[in-house]
Amino acid sequence: DVQMTQSPSSLSASVGDSVTLTCRAGQNINTDLNWYQQKSGKAPKLLIFAASSLLSGVPSRFSGSGSGTDFTLTISSLQPEDFATYYCQQSYSTVFTFGPGTKVDLK
Amino acid sequence: QVQLVQSGAEVKKPGASVKVSCKASGYTFITYAVHWVRQAPGQSLEWLGWINAGNGNTKYSQIFQGRVTITRDTAASTVYMELSSLRSEDTAVYYCARLTGYSDSSDYYEYLQHWGQGTLVTVSS
Repeated sequence: DVQMTQSPSSLSASVGDSVTLTCRAGQNINTDLNWYQQKSGKAPKLLIFAASSLLSGVPSRFSGSGSGTDFTLTISSLQPEDFATYYCQQSYSTVFTFGPGTKVDLK
Repeated sequence: QVQLVQSGAEVKKPGASVKVSCKASGYTFITYAVHWVRQAPGQSLEWLGWINAGNGNTKYSQIFQGRVTITRDTAASTVYMELSSLRSEDTAVYYCARLTGYSDSSDYYEYLQHWGQGTLVTVSS
């Protein structure tokens, strides 16, 4: 299985801050990388697919980049509703795997 | 609109099995694969497997191979996930999610755009 890691495991930030989350794959996955946001008690919500494509309806302050093994999710100006946990997930293999997540909380 | 509605919470004893359903609506059922993902309390998301709703082919995580079975009923537009030999570590919220595919000029991408509301399975003696 393709192993996924994320860093940091958590970070504290303020409204208006720009934050960058990192995801690393254990092997080359091209751009078969998706990002999800999850709030407590809710199902994950897809934000970005194919490493950098923003899902329709997702605010443009979210952006993704990367290819191969290293990927980033950037939130350009944190809003109160963005405090959540973010997961990356690879779809390169037919056996999907998720990263351990990065929790973004209020400083 | 696409909707996935899951069955209600379950409480099971260790060693028992649980079967969770996921009823789909708002799209042509046999056209899309459905995946299952779980989340233990305070933990990350863990992928269990998926089913091709059209031909019934399945793929499972090695971690759950032999314990998980995913099936579908095309007449009822419903996918089922059964987990056997339950232990306390299987206590989690189980989600179904529909796969979406996207093609551009160079590649084909897959992602989980639509999710069920989750089903809490508690394993306790």
